[in-house]
Amino acid sequence: EAEVAQSPRYKITEKSQAVAFWCDPISGHATLYWYRQILGQGPELLVQFQDESVVDDSQLPKDRFSAERLKGVDSTLKIQPAELGDSAMYLCASSRLRDRDGYTFGSGTRLTVV
Amino acid sequence: AQTVTQSQPEMSVQEAETVTLSCTYDTSESDYYLFWYKQPPSRQMILVIRQEAYKQQNATENRFSVNFQKAAKSFSLKISDSQLGDAAMYFCAYWETSGSRLTFGEGTQLTVNP
Repeated sequence: EAEVAQSPRYKITEKSQAVAFWCDPISGHATLYWYRQILGQGPELLVQFQDESVVDDSQLPKDRFSAERLKGVDSTLKIQPAELGDSAMYLCASSRLRDRDGYTFGSGTRLTVV
Repeated sequence: AQTVTQSQPEMSVQEAETVTLSCTYDTSESDYYLFWYKQPPSRQMILVIRQEAYKQQNATENRFSVNFQKAAKSFSLKISDSQLGDAAMYFCAYWETSGSRLTFGEGTQLTVNP
């Protein structure tokens, strides 16, 4: 069964350092999403891509967060500089265009900022 | 903005019994979809069941069924014959066809007691 791949699985970084997460969606899925999930809460959308274009980044803290999907396939989410409040699970998901069947999620990256 | 509310932070059920998880949502749209996702300790978010708003018939998937009350904007999940493997965090989510953002509730932690 096709999966959304994410790496690393865990990341510990010191505050003020830079950190990056990688996501490889299911082949053929045009839409890619990055969500942030604080422990004990529901995921919140950070950014949505349609192919290589950003469709929605209204909740992305653009002063420190950036995301790219250069060739419309895999994607990287970067935080620079990391802050203590960025500690969370970062989930990547993908879907076909306007897919009514729901998203397929990756296993996530657990970020701890110390 | 659309909101999804899960008023039960935690629920427990005895193995083989039935449990119902509650969800309410707020929207002015008429065309949308509702989902229940399961997130076990392994962290990957898994789609459990989906419901189209234009369908009056409640969706069912094996031991999982929903009670969709469109006028009341209520979407509860019933798990019958609960199994130990059902223990997880359950998220209710909303998706409208005019946009592509999947909005999640805060989640309900389900414990299944042997």
